[in-house]
Amino acid sequence: QVQLQESGPGLVKPSETLSLTCTVSGGSISSYYWSWIRQPPGKGLEWIGYIYYSGSTNYNPSLRSRVTISVDTSKNQFSLRLSSVTAADTAVYYCARGWEQWGQGTLVTVSS
Amino acid sequence: EIVLTQSPGTLSLSPGERATLSCRASQSVSSSYLAWHQQKPGQAPRLLIYGASSRATGIPDRFSGSGSGTDFTLTISRLEPEDFAVYYCQQYGSSWTFGQGTKVEIK
Repeated sequence: QVQLQESGPGLVKPSETLSLTCTVSGGSISSYYWSWIRQPPGKGLEWIGYIYYSGSTNYNPSLRSRVTISVDTSKNQFSLRLSSVTAADTAVYYCARGWEQWGQGTLVTVSS
Repeated sequence: EIVLTQSPGTLSLSPGERATLSCRASQSVSSSYLAWHQQKPGQAPRLLIYGASSRATGIPDRFSGSGSGTDFTLTISRLEPEDFAVYYCQQYGSSWTFGQGTKVEIK
């Protein structure tokens, strides 16, 4: 069964760029949609965006101007970049295979 | 953007009882691209239902999904202790959205 693992800094300063990577194991990234979802502490889930293995993307309209999702099929990884972060971007960030299989999540705190 | 509204916000039930959770969409969900996820405290969500009514691998048959268009339902036929959690519906049409969640708590 495919497994997903998020990695990246747990603390980001305001106005900087949040960068996370999701490593996929137990299966190839060269199929399916690969997505990012986040959950602020104590709140619900918010879809950030997805990338198809071919490279086509779709982003949440509310975040589109700040989000970039990319894929590296040679490393079986996909990545998230979120620019100009504020405290409102503090959340647990999950990577997922489409809507089916979730990573364990990683907490990112935005603070100086 | 399709807005999903879940009701009730909280459902207080006893083990063995039946739980009925509702998810209403602001516009029709294409091809029944509607999923239900379960989330327990400190854990990642887990897919229960996809395509409105298909159970994901390993999900017990006490969980069932139904509906189409704008109205969808998740039913748990007999609540087990491990079923007390928060449940989210999600539509995965052209752009994806989540409902705000329904918490199923022990009465």
